[in-house]
Amino acid sequence: GDSVTQMEGPVTLSEEAFLTINCTYTATGYPSLFWYVQYPGEGLQLLLKATKADDKGSNKGFEATYRKETTSFHLEKGSVQVSDSAVYFCALSPPGGNEKLTFGTGTRLTIIP
Amino acid sequence: GAVVSQHPSRVICKSGTSVKIECRSLDFQATTMFWYRQFPKQSLMLMATSNEGSKATYEQGVEKDKFLINHASLTLSTLTVTSAHPEDSSFYICSATRSANYGYTFGSGTRLTVV
Repeated sequence: GDSVTQMEGPVTLSEEAFLTINCTYTATGYPSLFWYVQYPGEGLQLLLKATKADDKGSNKGFEATYRKETTSFHLEKGSVQVSDSAVYFCALSPPGGNEKLTFGTGTRLTIIP
Repeated sequence: GAVVSQHPSRVICKSGTSVKIECRSLDFQATTMFWYRQFPKQSLMLMATSNEGSKATYEQGVEKDKFLINHASLTLSTLTVTSAHPEDSSFYICSATRSANYGYTFGSGTRLTVV
């Protein structure tokens, strides 16, 4: 079945550092790929997504590129801020339709001033 | 934007009692809702998928008689944990969608503690 393997945390960085959170997946066909963010005490919010190979999703300075050849969707940000402290989830869904999401384990990110 | 309200945010109940969690889409009609369970330091595990007006589809290993899901309208789905036990203590979170183009909107989750 489908699965998502995500870099384990927690990750602690200083403000303005470069961030990478690795995510690889196993799925048939061409799934849609997502990054969700969960701030303390809140639900998950969509951060970015990509629906086909070589697509780059971006939002709030975060980027991730859909790499079919390496089955990866790594999350990056060039300069993190304290407000980026949250738990980040990589997820996939089968192509098209209202299909269920398969999540990675989540990575807790803490940014120190 | 799409908003999903989940209530209550926290609940403590005694063993053997039942607890109902509500998930409402506030500004859109949710044709499909999903219920997830999140264990500490673990990912979200899908429990069931519900479509308005039909029976929920449960994932393998999820007891349908214990976790009752009702999706009676396009804006409301409920999860009832029946005869709760301490091992049911967890974080439950719902999500809703109206179509693939609109994506998934998540509720803020419910922390259930069974004592």
